[in-house]
Amino acid sequence: QSALTQPASVSGSPGQSITISCTGTSSDVGAYNYVSWYQQHPGKAPKLMIYDVANRPSGISSRFSGSKSDNTASLTISGLQAEDEADYFCHSYTSSSTWVFGGGTKVTVL
Amino acid sequence: QLQLQESGPGLVKPSETLSLTCIVSGGSISSSNHYWGWIRRPPGKGLEWIGDIYYRGNTYYNPSLKSRVTISVDTSTNQFSLKLRSVTAADTAVYYCARRRMSSSWIDYWGQGTLVTVSS
Repeated sequence: QSALTQPASVSGSPGQSITISCTGTSSDVGAYNYVSWYQQHPGKAPKLMIYDVANRPSGISSRFSGSKSDNTASLTISGLQAEDEADYFCHSYTSSSTWVFGGGTKVTVL
Repeated sequence: QLQLQESGPGLVKPSETLSLTCIVSGGSISSSNHYWGWIRRPPGKGLEWIGDIYYRGNTYYNPSLKSRVTISVDTSTNQFSLKLRSVTAADTAVYYCARRRMSSSWIDYWGQGTLVTVSS
């Protein structure tokens, strides 16, 4: 199975909004509402930010939101803050009863 | 509070078998609502799903690793394990164990991760 496609990097200034895309196929992202997003800071374990396309776990800021259209899922970070600088990965269920991650996006706060 | 902790050798020789164990504390591995799995991140690369297991032993593997991977569970000791055979330098990575909620994309608990280096 191929990794989901994410931009290698996205940057923005504090206070701005950025969107990270995650493109798959009709056999994964497009087929199920089982897409999640993880934030990972260097040397730390990944942290769940969004699950099942658009749901935020308890304790996650409302500045993070998720959506999906056809085979592409998106994570939007509004009101960008310095602490948001990290790697972000999307994750999807597939029609083969397996899971796949995106290649990852490095978010830089200018 | 649930905690997961990976344990195992940090150095494995090429062609040998990588073996890791994840010790689960603060909760039961026999939960009917969760899967338990392994994920890795090679240096400079992204996350890669390795596979999941249900407490009854049902397993699901990444097709690209399936021929070399075995994940097993021991409910009596509340832990699960990973074996990756015939390793090469490409298997060098930080390995994480994690818990996934059933019928959801939610991976809610992760271990801290353990670096395994494949080198002679």
